[in-house]
Amino acid sequence: DAGVTQSPTHLIKTRGQQVTLRCSPISGHKSVSWYQQVLGQGPQFIFQYYEKEERGRGNFPDRFSARQFPNYSSELNVNALLLGDSALYLCASSPSGRINEQFFGPGTRLTVL
Amino acid sequence: QKEVEQNSGPLSVPEGAIASLNCTYSDRVSQSFFWYRQYSGKSPELIMSIYSNGDKEDGRFTAQLNKASQYVSLLIRDSQPSDSATYLCAVNKGNTGFQKLVFGTGTRLLVSP
Repeated sequence: DAGVTQSPTHLIKTRGQQVTLRCSPISGHKSVSWYQQVLGQGPQFIFQYYEKEERGRGNFPDRFSARQFPNYSSELNVNALLLGDSALYLCASSPSGRINEQFFGPGTRLTVL
Repeated sequence: QKEVEQNSGPLSVPEGAIASLNCTYSDRVSQSFFWYRQYSGKSPELIMSIYSNGDKEDGRFTAQLNKASQYVSLLIRDSQPSDSATYLCAVNKGNTGFQKLVFGTGTRLLVSP
C-alpha cells in the first residue's frame, strides 16, 4: 500500500508570496495533521483535520490555513510568507481522530528568500 | 519547562553496543508515547509506541515507560552504523476533541564501525 504522499518535494518562494502544499493520506486513513519542522528542532503541530473538519490548531498565525477534501486529502496554505516560514512541512495521517499511531509523509521543503 | 525534553547529543556508541536514549515529559495526564527515527533530510519514521508502564520490545528496540517519573526511554541493542540518526520522542497531547503529537528536539545518535 502507498504511504502518505506530499507535493511538491521542494519549493522556493520569496517573502510576501503565498504557497499551497498538498497531502494524500494512507488509504483508509481519515485524519490528517500538519507539522512544521525547523532545522534542529522537533516537528511543531499546526493543524489536525478529521472527517473534513478542523479538530485542532497549534500556535501559528492566521496566515496558516488548511482544509481537507472529501477524499481525505488535504492542503496547507501559507500567506504572506516570511523568512521564518522556511522549514520542512510534514503531513501525517492516522486512521481516526485519535493519534495512536501517526505516519508521516516525506515532507515538503519550503525555502523563503 | 519544555513539554518534552531530550538531550540533543550527539550520543556516540561503538557498533554492537547498546544505545540508551532518554526523554522526560511534563504533562502527567499523557497516555501515549512514541519514538520516531529521522535520517538527515528525511521525514520521521515511527519505530515504537508505548502506552503502559514497563518495557515493550520489538526486535533490537526496547521502549521503557515510567509514568510516575514521567520518563520514557529507548534502548537499541547491537547498534549498527545504519542506526545513526536523530531519535525523536513524542507525546500524545490533547482532549476528546483533538489530539496532537508534541515532540522533543531529538537526540542525535552516532554509531561508529
